[in-house]
Amino acid sequence: QVQLQESGPGLVKPSETLSLTCAVSGSSIRSDYFWGWIRQPPGKGLEWIGSFYLGGSTYYNPSLKSRVTFSGDTSRNQLSLKLGSATATDTAVYYCARQGDLLEAFDVLGRGTVVIVSA
Amino acid sequence: DIQMTQSPSSLSASVGDRVTLTCRASQGISNSVAWLQQKPGKAPKSLIYDASSLQSGVPSKFSGSGSGTEFTLTISSLQPDDFATYYCQQYYSYPLTFGGGTKVEIK
Repeated sequence: QVQLQESGPGLVKPSETLSLTCAVSGSSIRSDYFWGWIRQPPGKGLEWIGSFYLGGSTYYNPSLKSRVTFSGDTSRNQLSLKLGSATATDTAVYYCARQGDLLEAFDVLGRGTVVIVSA
Repeated sequence: DIQMTQSPSSLSASVGDRVTLTCRASQGISNSVAWLQQKPGKAPKSLIYDASSLQSGVPSKFSGSGSGTEFTLTISSLQPDDFATYYCQQYYSYPLTFGGGTKVEIK
């Protein structure tokens, strides 16, 4: 059974970098899947942040492209997201997810982690 | 970007009702649509992919249809566990986009 578990600092100061990890179990991040990040501001809908394939393809939402970086740690089988220059509008629940390819549906999503950007 | 518009934004229904939710794409997207269910305080869960295929373990009371620009999610015989917000999502082209959601509430 594939499980994804996000974790992060919970509170980030404005202008700092938001850093999250996603621990993956039941599936290797080196396998032929794309790994995505999705976020949801309080009381609002879902926004795709981006997806990447460890073999080399990375796609970011153009609205966040200048500030976001994805990476993977194969030794720990975990994913990472870094979002620079955080502002209050980055306050959200952040989810990691798995998909067969960029242009395929997400089949598994993590439970999410809350990030609040505030001084 | 492809805009996904869901209607209605909310609806009230009774246990046992059959409900149909609609999602329209701003341009043709073949059958590249997924439906996700989100219960309050919980993560979204994938229900349907490729417009009409059920994810593993999803009960057959959920069904999806459509192609091109108009898609529907039907829930037959609503049960208390089905009251949630439902999102459609397109993966026809980058960037991936979601609809605004339909909240299904108890009447």
